[in-house]
Amino acid sequence: GQQVMQIPQYQHVQEGEDFTTYCNSSTTLSNIQWYKQRPGGHPVFLIQLVKSGEVKKQKRLTFQFGEAKKNSSLHITATQTTDVGTYFCAGYRKTSYDKVIFGPGTSLSVIP
Amino acid sequence: DVKVTQSSRYLVKRTGEKVFLECVQDMDHENMFWYRQDPGLGLRLIYFSYDVKMKEKGDIPEGYSVSREKKERFSLILESASTNQTSMYLCASTRTSGSSNTQYFGPGTRLTVL
Repeated sequence: GQQVMQIPQYQHVQEGEDFTTYCNSSTTLSNIQWYKQRPGGHPVFLIQLVKSGEVKKQKRLTFQFGEAKKNSSLHITATQTTDVGTYFCAGYRKTSYDKVIFGPGTSLSVIP
Repeated sequence: DVKVTQSSRYLVKRTGEKVFLECVQDMDHENMFWYRQDPGLGLRLIYFSYDVKMKEKGDIPEGYSVSREKKERFSLILESASTNQTSMYLCASTRTSGSSNTQYFGPGTRLTVL
């Protein structure tokens, strides 16, 4: 079945350093979504990428969707303590149901 | 704003008890989902529903059942709770759409089975 993998599982960075998490799907996706879960909270939608090669930015966050629509990345420039949390990617393929497959997440710690 | 609510934030039950977890969404979404979240395993789909009275098994349905009698409400049932069902349970809803299927999550229920 379809699988979505993410690396790394954990990342510890010094405040001000950059951070990247990578997401790979075993199958071509219709779109990919990214979510952030703060400690003690629930996943919150960040962004959706649909087009091959698409790049979107949200302030210090840059999201990319691969040309083959099977991989994606999230890059944070100059991390801040507010970036702490777990970042999940979720892949969607058009089937008869609107469900997504979540990756296992990357847990980011930021050392002040 | 979409609001997804879950009946309890924390729940403690004993082995063998029947457990009901309730989820309500207020945005008239067609699709609703139940996930469990465990450290290192991410979000795993238990069951989902794409319409009233319709349900589909997710990746880990064993030991669970669901009920969707009304569009806004999706219940997860543990027929006979076991200790390995101790977990964080998250409900989510989405609109049926060809282009956007953003998942809106509830706050979660942390269930402990003793």
